[in-house]
Amino acid sequence: SQQGEEDPQALSIQEGENATMNCSYKTSINNLQWYRQNSGRGLVHLILIRSNEREKHSGRLRVTLDTSKKSSSLLITASRAADTASYFCATNRIQGAQKLVFGQGTRLTINP
Amino acid sequence: GAVVSQHPSWVICKSGTSVKIECRSLDFQATTMFWYRQFPKQSLMLMATSNEGSKATYEQGVEKDKFLINHASLTLSTLTVTSAHPEDSSFYICSAVIPGQNNSPLHFGNGTRLTVT
Repeated sequence: SQQGEEDPQALSIQEGENATMNCSYKTSINNLQWYRQNSGRGLVHLILIRSNEREKHSGRLRVTLDTSKKSSSLLITASRAADTASYFCATNRIQGAQKLVFGQGTRLTINP
Repeated sequence: GAVVSQHPSWVICKSGTSVKIECRSLDFQATTMFWYRQFPKQSLMLMATSNEGSKATYEQGVEKDKFLINHASLTLSTLTVTSAHPEDSSFYICSAVIPGQNNSPLHFGNGTRLTVT
């Protein structure tokens, strides 16, 4: 089965700076999703980008998708301390409706 | 909307006992739910797909007799860890999808921290 990989594994920045996280995957996908997880909690959906889309925005979030490189990036602009969490990308394969494969995650720390 | 409730949020049990974890969709009917396992600072590993009214589909390497899944109604799926051992200690998370919505995201419970002593 495919396995997404994110980099960096951990990222620590100052409040107000932008945070960029990358995700790579191995097989064809139907869509790619980004989720956030606070420590010891469940995951919260952030944004979904379809395979025929290249960029998507939601508030301070910007996601890009490059299917030729099988990669995606999540940009959080003007970061806040409350953005501290782990961020996971997840891919939905064409034949695997709703069955998501998660990447390893990026642990983001925003320092006040 | 689209709230998934998972219970208990944490449980400590003795080795050899069984533990049941419940996953409920509170404001929608979920014909399909997913159970994940997560080790500290690691990703979510899909254990099984729970299908209402039929047998669960387990991922390769997951013992179906060890991790019993029951999805008896459209709003409830349960995961029972049987004869628990310390190596079963982990964070278990369920998720559900609103049926009929193509490309819709998963809605997650808040997870259950299982500690087997």
